[in-house]
Amino acid sequence: AQTVTQSQPEMSVQEAETVTLSCTYDTSESDYYLFWYKQPPSRQMILVIRQEAYKQQNATENRFSVNFQKAAKSFSLKISDSQLGDAAMYFCAYYNNDMRFGAGTRLTVKP
Amino acid sequence: GAVVSQHPSRVICKSGTSVKIECRSLDFQATTMFWYRQFPKQSLMLMATSNEGSKATYEQGVEKDKFLINHASLTLSTLTVTSAHPEDSSFYICSVPGQGNQPQHFGDGTRLSIL
Repeated sequence: AQTVTQSQPEMSVQEAETVTLSCTYDTSESDYYLFWYKQPPSRQMILVIRQEAYKQQNATENRFSVNFQKAAKSFSLKISDSQLGDAAMYFCAYYNNDMRFGAGTRLTVKP
Repeated sequence: GAVVSQHPSRVICKSGTSVKIECRSLDFQATTMFWYRQFPKQSLMLMATSNEGSKATYEQGVEKDKFLINHASLTLSTLTVTSAHPEDSSFYICSVPGQGNQPQHFGDGTRLSIL
């Protein structure tokens, strides 16, 4: 079975600073996808960024980027120039036929 | 626009009541749909995968008789929480297979509160 581990229950960052959220996963598959989702208080699941396992290049989406280390099964999210609107729960997710989520990291952004 | 429609968004009912939650795929036909449960301040846990025209596949530890799933058409899956009790209070989210950038699209969820 696949497992996703987020070891940081809570993180805090100063506005305009950079923060990195950690995620590791375990799988015996070679072909899969990894995601970071943002869940604000409204509970909507908002896709932040996606990474295909077969791609070596790290995905980037504006202020969001990942550090994907396939051999280490690590998939961290870096948020640059943090904004107040980035405050939310962040879930790391693994996809191979269905989506499995980590426990989540609550990000607080201090003005 | 929305890809998934989940209804109702909020349910409050008495203990012992059965509650039905609907999940509709708006953009395309879905032979499978997914049901997740999220306790407060916790992660989304996959409960089951509904399969159009056949039985749902439940994750280990999920009571089949408590959480009845029906996937009668290619656009509709329903989750019925039977004889609900306060411990069934939770946030339930459905998901449908996607295309392009997202392999799954998520509904806005149903907050179920059992008194």
